[in-house]
Amino acid sequence: KAGVTQTPRYLIKTRGQQVTLSCSPISGHRSVSWYQQTPGQGLQFLFEYFSETQRNKGNFPGRFSGRQFSNSRSEMNVSTLELGDSALYLCASTAVGGSPGELFFGEGSRLTVL
Amino acid sequence: AQSVAQPEDQVNVAEGNPLTVKCTYSVSGNPYLFWYVQYPNRGLQFLLKYITGDNLVKGSYGFEAEFNKSQTSFHLKKPSALVSDSALYFCAGGGTDQTGANNLFFGTGTRLTVIP
Repeated sequence: KAGVTQTPRYLIKTRGQQVTLSCSPISGHRSVSWYQQTPGQGLQFLFEYFSETQRNKGNFPGRFSGRQFSNSRSEMNVSTLELGDSALYLCASTAVGGSPGELFFGEGSRLTVL
Repeated sequence: AQSVAQPEDQVNVAEGNPLTVKCTYSVSGNPYLFWYVQYPNRGLQFLLKYITGDNLVKGSYGFEAEFNKSQTSFHLKKPSALVSDSALYFCAGGGTDQTGANNLFFGTGTRLTVIP
């Protein structure tokens, strides 16, 4: 069974640009969560989608948004990029009826903002 | 606010010796607690969880964790460390109806180095 796939793995953007990151969950998983990992702030929850609806949202500005498609694939978008948005963005999926908090993570998309 | 804390940024242990990675929690109600591991340039991997029941939880790769309510701790342990255990370890809380099933709050991480 394929794991969680995130694309692109690495990308470089400049301030003011926008970026879209993609996440394909494990087959059969319908919940997708996004986390930001930085050296300064650590791991922080961004949002969670389930059945194309945002179920939970972390404390991030509105520049951070996401969506989920009918096939459970998810995208997150960051507009008007700032230097502080440089981070590893991790996507995680969980199975329907799976144990709460037991997440399957992808390898992440490393965003560098110049 | 609910949180978990990992008091040690770095833990070094000799191969074959027992290891402990510490975590304390501040969670209202019944805590859901987790340990995840991150290898270089990789995502996180689930190790084990405590939701309810036995205070000693067994997980993947020979790891276990002890839930101690009186000390509000959830330390990760392994009887005999391997060089391959060297990685970044995260304690996490959450996963409840109150926080959101998959809304975890993580500690700052502890880098474990097992010395051959």
